[in-house]
Amino acid sequence: EPEVTQTPSHQVTQMGQEVILRCVPISNHLYFYWYRQILGQKVEFLVSFYNNEISEKSEIFDDQFSVERPDGSNFTLKIRSTKLEDSAMYFCASSGPSGQATDTQYFGPGTRLTVL
Amino acid sequence: AQSVTQPDIHITVSEGASLELRCNYSYGATPYLFWYVQSPGQGLQLLLKYFSGDTLVQGIKGFEAEFKRSQSSFNLRKPSVHWSDAAEYFCAVFRNNAGNMLTFGGGTRLMVKP
Repeated sequence: EPEVTQTPSHQVTQMGQEVILRCVPISNHLYFYWYRQILGQKVEFLVSFYNNEISEKSEIFDDQFSVERPDGSNFTLKIRSTKLEDSAMYFCASSGPSGQATDTQYFGPGTRLTVL
Repeated sequence: AQSVTQPDIHITVSEGASLELRCNYSYGATPYLFWYVQSPGQGLQLLLKYFSGDTLVQGIKGFEAEFKRSQSSFNLRKPSVHWSDAAEYFCAVFRNNAGNMLTFGGGTRLMVKP
């Protein structure tokens, strides 16, 4: 069964450093998402991406965050200057082809980001 | 604004006992509702979803959920719990006019006693 993969599984970084989290969505999917889960808190939507542009972003997704689909398979989340409060599990998800509720969002296993 | 509430943070049941996890939602339009499960070290796996029609939906691993509009609830049930069901369970509502975002509840951690 196809699955969403994410690398790395765990990333440790110093405050102020840039990080890039990588995701490979399911190959025929057209909609891509990032969510995050701070330890002990809810899973929160960050951003959705379709047709090479952002469809929707939450208030969490400020100018420090960016997303990109650099090639036909990868989907990345960049945090330009990490803060302590960015420490969380980051989940990538994909769905397709219609983007409607009938298309299940499939989640990757997550990248645990620790900012020191 | 939409929201999802899972009133129970932790639930412990004995293996073989029945299970019900509660979920209440607040959403102005017809909700599209989901239950996901997260096992330790794993991503979120879809258990089942409700769009319309029959209010009792069946999912994987023997789970089912019932949509009750009058109570704004979408509770997850299983008649007989297995030790492998120990995990965290998340209820979510979908908004397709807002970038297809899922809004999640806080989760319920299920522990299973032998």
